[in-house]
Amino acid sequence: RKEVEQDPGPFNVPEGATVAFNCTYSNSASQSFFWYRQDCRKEPKLLMSVYSSGNEDGRFTAQLNRASQYISLLIRDSKLSDSATYLCVVKRAGNMLTFGGGTRLMVKP
Amino acid sequence: NAGVTQTPKFQVLKTGQSMTLQCAQDMNHNSMYWYRQDPGMGLRLIYYSASEGTTDKGEVPNGYNVSRLNKREFSLRLESAAPSQTSVYFCASSERGSAQYSNQPQHFGDGTRLSIL
Repeated sequence: RKEVEQDPGPFNVPEGATVAFNCTYSNSASQSFFWYRQDCRKEPKLLMSVYSSGNEDGRFTAQLNRASQYISLLIRDSKLSDSATYLCVVKRAGNMLTFGGGTRLMVKP
Repeated sequence: NAGVTQTPKFQVLKTGQSMTLQCAQDMNHNSMYWYRQDPGMGLRLIYYSASEGTTDKGEVPNGYNVSRLNKREFSLRLESAAPSQTSVYFCASSERGSAQYSNQPQHFGDGTRLSIL
């Protein structure tokens, strides 16, 4: 079993839709959680950190459930520019990151 | 703002050849990392350097060596390239490696696309 699991998609949604991605992790000692965004043939870039209390950044909302070892990302009012692969990332001690395989999002006009 | 710079961007090698991938960061970060990314596998850590003078194995270190030349530079060497090492290689850096700075993000270079024939 992979340490971080994501539905690979693709999720095909129309502009303006709300879309949610889920991620589960297996290591209960995981300390920090992130969503990264990766455009086609580009490097991953930090989208947002994920906190237990939930956090929001504009149209993006991230949630963490430590008891269920589950992380989510909600995107509201999808834009064409949101089309990318979203990587769920979990960190254990020592700043070592473990990446999920990514969920691909395609926003259509 | 260069951030993390990787060279080369593309390389084709024959099986058995050796090469070194270069990485440099200008953000005065302590920690540096090498990952490989394969389709459907996500990014996997090859080696990392928590601070200048230290290196440690990651998830998939076999077939690779690294050198933390100074605080800025962290190189990855393939001594005898194999087709299984065909991949996209990313270098990353972050400010700290300790739990105290557990939310420090990693900043990535734009990758080296390596093909081994």
